[in-house]
Amino acid sequence: EPEVTQTPSHQVTQMGQEVILRCVPISNHLYFYWYRQILGQKVEFLVSFYNNEISEKSEIFDDQFSVERPDGSNFTLKIRSTKLEDSAMYFCASRRGTSGRGQETQYFGPGTRLLVL
Amino acid sequence: AQSVAQPEDQVNVAEGNPLTVKCTYSVSGNPYLFWYVQYPNRGLQFLLKYITGDNLVKGSYGFEAEFNKSQTSFHLKKPSALVSDSALYFCAPTRDAGNMLTFGGGTRLMVKP
Repeated sequence: EPEVTQTPSHQVTQMGQEVILRCVPISNHLYFYWYRQILGQKVEFLVSFYNNEISEKSEIFDDQFSVERPDGSNFTLKIRSTKLEDSAMYFCASRRGTSGRGQETQYFGPGTRLLVL
Repeated sequence: AQSVAQPEDQVNVAEGNPLTVKCTYSVSGNPYLFWYVQYPNRGLQFLLKYITGDNLVKGSYGFEAEFNKSQTSFHLKKPSALVSDSALYFCAPTRDAGNMLTFGGGTRLMVKP
């Protein structure tokens, strides 16, 4: 069964450094999402992406964040200058979005645990 | 705006007994309702959803959930719990298919042998 994959599984970085988190969505999916989960807190929506542009973003997704689909398979989240409070588990999700059964379900990857020191 | 509440941080149940994990939501318009499960050090795994149709929906691993529009609830149920069901369960409503999911705080289910 196709799965969303994410790399790396863990990343440790110094405050102020740039990080890029990578995701490979399910191949025939058209809608892509990033969520994050700070330890002990709720899963929070960051951004959704469709047709090479951002569809929706939350207040968390400020100018330090950007997303890109650089080729036909990868979907990336870049944090330009990391802060301590960016430490969290980051989840990528994808959704098929075409007509038919199951098109509305978001499927999540295993996550990247980011630790900012 | 949309919101969700999972009133129990933890639910304890003995193996073989029925379980219920509660969820209430607030969504403008017709809701799309999802349950996800998270096992330790794993991602969020889709369990089941309500979009339209029958109020009782069945999902993976014998789980089911009942949509109650008047009570704005979508409680997760299973007739007979297994120890392997022990995990963190998240309810997540949204107002349409393309919108962001809003997650509850999660309910930890502990099934004791």
